[in-house]
Amino acid sequence: GQQLNQSPQSMFIQEGEDVSMNCTSSSIFNTWLWYKQDPGEGPVLLIALYKAGELTSNGRLTAQFGITRKDSFLNISASIPSDVGIYFCAGPTNAGGTSYGKLTFGQGTILTVHP
Amino acid sequence: DSGVTQTPKHLITATGQRVTLRCSPRSGDLSVYWYQQSLDQGLQFLIHYYNGEERAKGNILERFSAQQFPDLHSELNLSSLELGDSALYFCASSVDSGIVQFFGPGTRLTVL
Repeated sequence: GQQLNQSPQSMFIQEGEDVSMNCTSSSIFNTWLWYKQDPGEGPVLLIALYKAGELTSNGRLTAQFGITRKDSFLNISASIPSDVGIYFCAGPTNAGGTSYGKLTFGQGTILTVHP
Repeated sequence: DSGVTQTPKHLITATGQRVTLRCSPRSGDLSVYWYQQSLDQGLQFLIHYYNGEERAKGNILERFSAQQFPDLHSELNLSSLELGDSALYFCASSVDSGIVQFFGPGTRLTVL
């Protein structure tokens, strides 16, 4: 089945630093989603990307839909302590021959921000 | 707050038991999705319901079943529980069968 590979698996950075993480797939995705999960909470949608080459920002977060449609990138600028959490990429994949909203998730990037 | 509610927040039970997890989607959302999150498998899609009808199944065990009621809330039933069923179970909802899904806070199931 389709798999998403995220890197790095974890990051330890200082407050104020910029962060980059990416997600790759062996197959094409038509949509990329980026979620953040805080400990003990559900994933929260950060950014949705719908078109190859699209660059979308949400505050200090910027995500890009790779031109090959097999990858996506998330950048966080000027990190702050509340950026700590697990960041997931996700995309819709077939389920039983349909693509009714089944999301496949990457394994996540754990971000730690030191004050 | 995503608008998706799940109860209970925590559930501790014994092997062989049966439990029911409940989810209320965001107001106006017709689709409900269930996901399981474990340390070794990550976030895995279980099942999707749209307006009361099952639309898609993932790698959901036969011991697990779900349904969506006329008021659009959904229940996930887990039976003959095993230690390996311990995980976080998330419900998500979307307006239609859309890709953009909003997740609830989850139910943490512990099977002892």
